[in-house]
Amino acid sequence: AQKITQTQPGMFVQEKEAVTLDCTYDTSDPSYGLFWYKQPSSGEMIFLIYQGSYDQQNATEGRYSLNFQKARKSANLVISASQLGDSAMYFCAMRERDSNYQLIWGAGTKLIIKP
Amino acid sequence: DAGVTQSPTHLIKTRGQQVTLRCSPKSGHDTVSWYQQALGQGPQFIFQYYEEEERQRGNFPDRFSGHQFPNYSSELNVNALLLGDSALYLCASGRTGTSGTIGELFFGEGSRLTVL
Repeated sequence: AQKITQTQPGMFVQEKEAVTLDCTYDTSDPSYGLFWYKQPSSGEMIFLIYQGSYDQQNATEGRYSLNFQKARKSANLVISASQLGDSAMYFCAMRERDSNYQLIWGAGTKLIIKP
Repeated sequence: DAGVTQSPTHLIKTRGQQVTLRCSPKSGHDTVSWYQQALGQGPQFIFQYYEEEERQRGNFPDRFSGHQFPNYSSELNVNALLLGDSALYLCASGRTGTSGTIGELFFGEGSRLTVL
């Protein structure tokens, strides 16, 4: 079974609009972390935001926020006021306590911001 | 402060050849992990090095091997290259905390390998 599922292969969004990228996960480990990374065409993975399984509040980092719904096992990324520079691949990833060293990744969502 | 640096950025090899990819971690980081990202897919974990030892390994054959040096830099070696080894190879570094957990991971821009 897929541990990280991103159901949106691609999205087109108008500049300045908010966008939600979906991510669902599957784990039996009570201690885990969820990450979102941005990958522009250059290839580098850029860290955006992190949510720990025990965190009481949803994580926020500038224009990025994570809509964490633990019971539904979802960790959607919300980008407010999208910009042209937000066009990139976005990946959701999970790190389980028992697999401290490895990230498990989704297939990614290609986001294109239209002017 | 230099981030994670990888070399070479691009390379082309033929089937059966061997390749070595290099990674220098971000300053202050002691853990290096390697990921393979095939075109259009998410990265797959290859292995992770800490204190010059392989600590965890993903589902990759023995053709994939690595090394970590005393200065924390790392190499990824792939022997007997196959067409399917064509991918972007990403290196990530992190700092191991006192509890043994690793904080945020920082990635390099990757080495794009093409096998013909």
